[in-house]
Amino acid sequence: NAGVTQTPKFRILKIGQSMTLQCTQDMNHNYMYWYRQDPGMGLKLIYYSVGAGITDKGEVPNGYNVSRSTTEDFPLRLELAAPSQTSVYFCASKRGGQSSGNTIYFGEGSWLTVV
Amino acid sequence: GQQLNQSPQSMFIQEGEDVSMNCTSSSIFNTWLWYKQDPGEGPVLLIALYKAGELTSNGRLTAQFGITRKDSFLNISASIPSDVGIYFCAGQLGPGNTPLVFGKGTRLSVIA
Repeated sequence: NAGVTQTPKFRILKIGQSMTLQCTQDMNHNYMYWYRQDPGMGLKLIYYSVGAGITDKGEVPNGYNVSRSTTEDFPLRLELAAPSQTSVYFCASKRGGQSSGNTIYFGEGSWLTVV
Repeated sequence: GQQLNQSPQSMFIQEGEDVSMNCTSSSIFNTWLWYKQDPGEGPVLLIALYKAGELTSNGRLTAQFGITRKDSFLNISASIPSDVGIYFCAGQLGPGNTPLVFGKGTRLSVIA
């Protein structure tokens, strides 16, 4: 029962490097989300997707890109890493629809440090 | 962006004590949710509230959706060491596909 799986768990990047955080879910959920969590702060939405082929910006999208070519996968790309992107990143998914309630399932997080 | 004001920021309590935390906003929410995050883990949903005035329990946890739809509280009764963690409120301003807005969290420490 995998749920939402994120990789890598930890990563150190140099300024200007690029990388992709992978996220996959095996629950056939339509909705997927990427959040970042900074120390002492709540989760801020970066990007989200309501289905394959559809993505939308959240509250803090600058410096990130996403794609949703399949229902299962929702990778988050950092093109030119900056120290301000040092954070913990959480991928999440939800079945979607008015009757589904709001049970959002989170992955275990990816700790990213940019130096 | 929309803000949820969550308080207190942190709490230190003795095992067995009751705990109360709350979230307020200047905006009206359709849904209030409470999550718990253990160290090194993602948030896990504790309680979901969908109607103004709704009072819902989950074991020792009780949460209420404020009548004004601008606030919610979470109570934990008879705290135990495994209650340690960060508790987040989250609200949804619109229908089911509207992304959640999160509070900054309440860090709970339980002293045995």
